[in-house]
Amino acid sequence: TQLLEQSPQFLSIQEGENLTVYCNSSSVFSSLQWYRQEPGEGPVLLVTVVTGGEVKKLKRLTFQFGDARKDSSLHITAAQPGDTGLYLCAGALGGQAGTALIFGKGTTLSVSS
Amino acid sequence: DAGVTQSPTHLIKTRGQQVTLRCSPKSGHDTVSWYQQALGQGPQFIFQYYEEEERQRGNFPDRFSGHQFPNYSSELNVNALLLGDSALYLCASSFPTGASGYTFGSGTRLTVV
Repeated sequence: TQLLEQSPQFLSIQEGENLTVYCNSSSVFSSLQWYRQEPGEGPVLLVTVVTGGEVKKLKRLTFQFGDARKDSSLHITAAQPGDTGLYLCAGALGGQAGTALIFGKGTTLSVSS
Repeated sequence: DAGVTQSPTHLIKTRGQQVTLRCSPKSGHDTVSWYQQALGQGPQFIFQYYEEEERQRGNFPDRFSGHQFPNYSSELNVNALLLGDSALYLCASSFPTGASGYTFGSGTRLTVV
């Protein structure tokens, strides 16, 4: 059973379009993180959200943590070819479940010019 | 830069052999986690080391073992390699709570033939 469901799995869009990636779970997370990974490299942290309802912005990227801390979304405005990559959400259950990250399967984004 | 360093970058092993992968954490980090990432999938948590002890373990068989040294560096050992062990092995370092996010290395690409 996949604890974190990401959708869509693949996304191919034109430069300038907007997009949203979703990350859903039936579990409550103490924190949720978004990473971007390029081929042959490790994931790079984009943002950490901790508080239910929290919204964080990173230039054209907007991240939201659900009120119940079970889901999150990543919205990209006016996508650019440089945004191409694998986007991963990862949650930490916390408490006795520990701080290890549980990853979704990822969303592969391709932005063409 | 003092980011996470992993070695080797690529490795080819024969089924049944044993392999050791190495990781040096980011300067200031004392917690090391290992992940296995199959092609097209998100990383799967193997185990986490803190204060030279295995603090948390994912759903991996005992063939996977590890060690953390006093300088916080870590090794991942895999015995009796199977074809299905072929993957990208990622090391991530963090502070003990992980709340500030994880810094990943570029990984070791292991191919079992």
